[in-house]
Amino acid sequence: QVQLVQSGAEVKKPGASVKLSCKASGYTFSAYYMHWVRQAPGQDLEWMGIINPSSGSTTYAQKFQGRVTMTRDSSTGTVFMDLSSVKSDDTAVYYCARGEALIAAPASNFDYWGQGTLVTVSS
Amino acid sequence: DIQMTQSPSTLSASVGDRVTITCRASQSITTWLAWYQQKPGKAPKLLIYKTSILETGVPSRFSGSGSGTEFTLTISSLQPDDFATYFCQQYNGYPLTFGGGTKVEIK
Repeated sequence: QVQLVQSGAEVKKPGASVKLSCKASGYTFSAYYMHWVRQAPGQDLEWMGIINPSSGSTTYAQKFQGRVTMTRDSSTGTVFMDLSSVKSDDTAVYYCARGEALIAAPASNFDYWGQGTLVTVSS
Repeated sequence: DIQMTQSPSTLSASVGDRVTITCRASQSITTWLAWYQQKPGKAPKLLIYKTSILETGVPSRFSGSGSGTEFTLTISSLQPDDFATYFCQQYNGYPLTFGGGTKVEIK
């Protein structure tokens, strides 16, 4: 069965970087896009970007351009999301979510989600 | 960016009620719309994609309709497990965007 298992909760000080991981299993890792979505307390779900696990190519939401980097390790079936210069309003639960197969359009719905990683930014 | 507006933000209903949630897009998204259910402390769960296609395993009491800019999610007979928050999401183009959510509460 498809599973996305994310790394544990993080507490960071403002200005620091945080790197989250999402390990995929139960399907061909390189065959499906992977997205990152976050949910701040009381806020809407917010799409951050997408990575093609086969090529490593990425597209980021303009809001996060310059601060976010998504990478993958195909040997372990893991994607990573690195967010730099964090501030208090980056406090949120961060989800990885599987998108469409690479043969389809990258903009898609999300059929499987990780369990979420809480990132707390506090001085 | 395409703005997604859901209504109502909160809905009080009883078991057995028919429930309808609306999602409006700020521009046409044809039928590139999905619906999710989220329970407290859990990740969203995909219910419907491409406006009206039920995800495998989702009960048939859930249905979706619409096109262009106006969409609805209907629960034909609300069950105890359905009390949750529901989100719409457009995937007509980047950035992918979500509605603000509709919380379905017990009346």
